[in-house]
Amino acid sequence: GDSVTQMEGPVTLSEEAFLTINCTYTATGYPSLFWYVQYPGEGLQLLLKATKADDKGSNKGFEATYRKETTSFHLEKGSVQVSDSAVYFCALGFNQFYFGTGTSLTVIP
Amino acid sequence: DAGVIQSPRHEVTEMGQEVTLRCKPISGHNSLFWYRQTMMRGLELLIYFNNNVPIDDSGMPEDRFSAKMPNASFSTLKIQPSEPRDSAVYFCASSGDRRTDTQYFGPGTRLTVL
Repeated sequence: GDSVTQMEGPVTLSEEAFLTINCTYTATGYPSLFWYVQYPGEGLQLLLKATKADDKGSNKGFEATYRKETTSFHLEKGSVQVSDSAVYFCALGFNQFYFGTGTSLTVIP
Repeated sequence: DAGVIQSPRHEVTEMGQEVTLRCKPISGHNSLFWYRQTMMRGLELLIYFNNNVPIDDSGMPEDRFSAKMPNASFSTLKIQPSEPRDSAVYFCASSGDRRTDTQYFGPGTRLTVL
C-alpha cells in the first residue's frame, strides 16, 4: 500500500549547518508530497508541498524536490537556525493522506 | 481566517469520566480529520469526515470513542468512559474537497486522564 518512510532522529546540528532529512515514498500512482513542521506545544503546520514530478517546494529557506525516479522528497536547508528546532513530518496525499513518523531536529547555538 | 479552532486546549480528568473535545474547521473546508498523537505511537488518524459524513473510522480505538459532525462548522470527539491510556494530544484538521488536499491543523487538546 501507499506509505512514506522518513529518516529517524533525533538530529542535532550546530547553527548554520546544512540540513537534510530523507523521505521516500511508495504509491501506486502520482501523489502529492508535503513537509509539515511541528513546533513544541503546537499543531502541525504546512511547510511546503509539491504536486507533480520535478516540482520543487520551498518556504522559509527549506526546499524539497519531488523525485519520481528515486521516489524521494528530501528536505534540505542550507543554514539552520536555532528557531528551526522542531519535529518535521513528511506526508503523502493520494487515495489517503499518510504521515511519516516525524524527525526531531535540535539546533544548538 | 482564524484557522482551525479546538477547545479546550488542556483537559485533566479522572478515569471513568466522559470527555468531549470540540473542533471548528476552516470555513469552506469539506473534509475534517481527528488525530491522536503520543510519544509511543506517533500521529494516528482516528476518523475522517467529508461533507459532515463519517467516511473512515477505522482508526477509532474502540467503542469508548465516538465522533460527530452535526454541521459543517462543528465536530466533537467524545471518550466515555475515559482511561489513563487515552492521555494524548488530540488534533483536529480540515482540508478542501479531496482527502488528499493540504490539511490545516488546530493547536490540539492535551488530554490527561488520571
